[in-house]
Amino acid sequence: AQKVTQAQTEISVVEKEDVTLDCVYETRDTTYYLFWYKQPPSGELVFLIRRNSFDEQNEISGRYSWNFQKSTSSFNFTITASQVVDSAVYFCALSEARGSSGGSNYKLTFGKGTLLTVNP
Amino acid sequence: EAGVTQFPSHSVIEKGQTVTLRCDPISGHDNLYWYRRVMGKEIKFLLHFVKESKQDESGMPNNRFLAERTGGTYSTLKVQPAELEDSGVYFCASSQLRTGNDYGYTFGSGTRLTVV
Repeated sequence: AQKVTQAQTEISVVEKEDVTLDCVYETRDTTYYLFWYKQPPSGELVFLIRRNSFDEQNEISGRYSWNFQKSTSSFNFTITASQVVDSAVYFCALSEARGSSGGSNYKLTFGKGTLLTVNP
Repeated sequence: EAGVTQFPSHSVIEKGQTVTLRCDPISGHDNLYWYRRVMGKEIKFLLHFVKESKQDESGMPNNRFLAERTGGTYSTLKVQPAELEDSGVYFCASSQLRTGNDYGYTFGSGTRLTVV
C-alpha cells in the first residue's frame, strides 16, 4: 500500500526565512509520481510540481525548490526567502503510474499536509 | 478556460438529511475524481470516473454515498442519510484522458460539508 508522511503538522516562520517542508513516501511500485500541492486560504488545491520516479534531478522554480532522494524515499520542498503570501497548507502526494493514461491520470495518495504560516 | 467548479461551497445539514454536491469539470476532461478531507486528516480518494463510467470507486466509504456522472459531464455526489463523520471538505478534480502535460489534475475549491 502507498503511504505519504508529512511529519510537520505546522510550521511558523518570519518573512524572508527559508523553510523546508518534509515529505517521506512508501510504495512498492518502481514507477510512480510525486506531487506537491498548495492550499491557500481560498481553499482550492493548486498544483506546484510533479516528479516521476526516474527523474531524481532537483528542481528550482523561482523561490521554490524540490529535493527528490529515492535512497531515503523523500521529496522535500524548500521555500527560499519566504513571504506572507506563501502561508498555506502544503500537501505532498504520490500516485501510481499504471494504466495507459499515465501517472497523472491515476488516484493520488496524500499526506496530511503541513500548515505553513509566514509572519511579517 | 474555466476551472473545476464545485457547489455549494459550504453546506450545513442535520444528521439524517440528504445532501448533494456537484462538480463541473473543465470542459473536455474525461477524467473526474472525488476526494475528501476529514478534519486534520489526509485528503483521501473516493472515486474516479472516466466519462460516465466509474473506473475506480474503492475509496467510497459506504453505501450512503452515491456518485453519478450522467452524460459524462458534471458529476454529483449524494450523501444519504448524512452522519456526523461525513463532515469534511469534498474536492473534485478533472484531467484529460491522455494528457501529455505535467500539470496533473486541476482541483476545484471544494465543498465544506458540516453535519450537525
